[in-house]
Amino acid sequence: QSALTQPPSASGSLGQSVTISCTGTSSDVGGYNYVSWYQHHPGKAPKLMIYEVSERPSGVPDRFSGSKSGNTASLTVSGLQAEDEADYYCSSYAGSDNLGVFGGGTKLTVL
Amino acid sequence: EVQLVESGGVVVQPGGSLRLSCAASGFTFDDYAMHWVRQAPGKGLEWVSVISWDGGSIHYVDSVKGRFTISRDNSKNSLYLQMNSLRAEDTALYYCAKSAFIGYSSSWYYGFQHWGQGTLVTVSS
Repeated sequence: QSALTQPPSASGSLGQSVTISCTGTSSDVGGYNYVSWYQHHPGKAPKLMIYEVSERPSGVPDRFSGSKSGNTASLTVSGLQAEDEADYYCSSYAGSDNLGVFGGGTKLTVL
Repeated sequence: EVQLVESGGVVVQPGGSLRLSCAASGFTFDDYAMHWVRQAPGKGLEWVSVISWDGGSIHYVDSVKGRFTISRDNSKNSLYLQMNSLRAEDTALYYCAKSAFIGYSSSWYYGFQHWGQGTLVTVSS
C-alpha cells in the first residue's frame, strides 16, 4: 500500500491556474476511475473537492477540475484565490484487497 | 447536519494502549461504513481502518494490523479504535470519516465526504 506520488509543493499567482499531479500505478489510479481530491486547511477537517476523477460535490466551485491520463491524475485550480492556499491530497481506490490509498499531499501557495 | 466528534486522544507511553471514540449524529449511523484516517505531524493523510455497517467486514493498513482494532456500537451511534502496543510513529491526529453514500468501498469510490475535527494521539515517554 504505497502512497500515491504528489509534488510536495505547487504555486501560482492570484487569478492564474495551477495543476497538481497524482501518480500511482495500474493497480490504483490507472486501474479505476475512482480518484478523489481533498483540500485541507491546517486545523480544519479535510474537504472533498473532486470524486470519480472529475466530479464535483455540491458547493465546490467549478474553478476546481480533475482529470486522469494513464496512471496519473491531476487537479487543476483555475482563477486562483487566496483562500485556495492549502494542502491538497489525492486518493484512489486500489481494489478489494487494499481498498484505497492517499497521496503524500501538495502544499499549494497562492502568490 | 452530519456531525462526527472524536475523543480519547491523550499522551501515552510507547507500548501503551488507548481507545478512541467517534460519536456520530445527523444521519442513520448503521447504514454506513466508517473509517479512521490519521495525519502524523508534518505528514500527509494516511488511511487506517474501515468497518462495514454491521461490523462484518473490516480492513486495516498493514502498519497497524495486529495492534489496532476497529469496532462500532450502532445502538450508541459510535465508532471506536482500540490501539495497543503503541509506537512513536502512531503519533497523529486521528479523524473518523465517511462517505455520503452507503457501501463498504463507497468512500474510495465517491470520496470521504464527512470528517470529524480529529483527536490527537501522542506516543511519547
